[in-house]
Amino acid sequence: ELKVEQNPLFLSMQEGKNYTIYCNYSTTSDRLYWYRQDPGKSLESLFVLLSNGAVKQEGRLMASLDTKARLSTLHITAAVHDLSATYFCAVDYGGGADGLTFGKGTHLIIQP
Amino acid sequence: DAGVTQSPTHLIKTRGQQVTLRCSPKSGHDTVSWYQQALGQGPQFIFQYYEEEERQRGNFPDRFSGHQFPNYSSELNVNALLLGDSALYLCASSLTAGGSDTQYFGPGTRLTVL
Repeated sequence: ELKVEQNPLFLSMQEGKNYTIYCNYSTTSDRLYWYRQDPGKSLESLFVLLSNGAVKQEGRLMASLDTKARLSTLHITAAVHDLSATYFCAVDYGGGADGLTFGKGTHLIIQP
Repeated sequence: DAGVTQSPTHLIKTRGQQVTLRCSPKSGHDTVSWYQQALGQGPQFIFQYYEEEERQRGNFPDRFSGHQFPNYSSELNVNALLLGDSALYLCASSLTAGGSDTQYFGPGTRLTVL
């Protein structure tokens, strides 16, 4: 069974702090995605990680992929309130010709 | 460059009715995927259309069906609606030719079944 597990599922943190969200998946895949979703909105693409050891950074967010460990991380540096959202990781098990399998999401609240 | 569009934005139906949701992919994209997102959950894959055919299907009953048109737009049909079908339905488009990377999501259709 294809599984994608995120942790934590809920995270409350203060502005200026660093934290990491973890995404484990059950079966080999070379494609992993991170999306952001604001309340009542659709999903916004953040990162696409296509190979082992891939690291991508955008502003205060950095994502990495370890295909051998079947693990991706989303690291938040010096968090700001605007980063409050739900973050999803998703795995493409079909090499691009398939639907994505999503984790349950990490609900992130950043307090001043 | 228009992104993924969906219609309608909101829809209210009663149990047993049928519903059709529509999606226009991002310009240049040829593949459309549909997802169901229940409140507080991650999206679940329903099916994907490419070249006007269903290419892959998730774990959803036959009450869920779809169609892709020659202009790559797509419809999702749900028959015999159940209360549990209440959710946000998301359409995502991507490009298969030349290798598919990111799926871009539309704004979604919020379906409420009473």
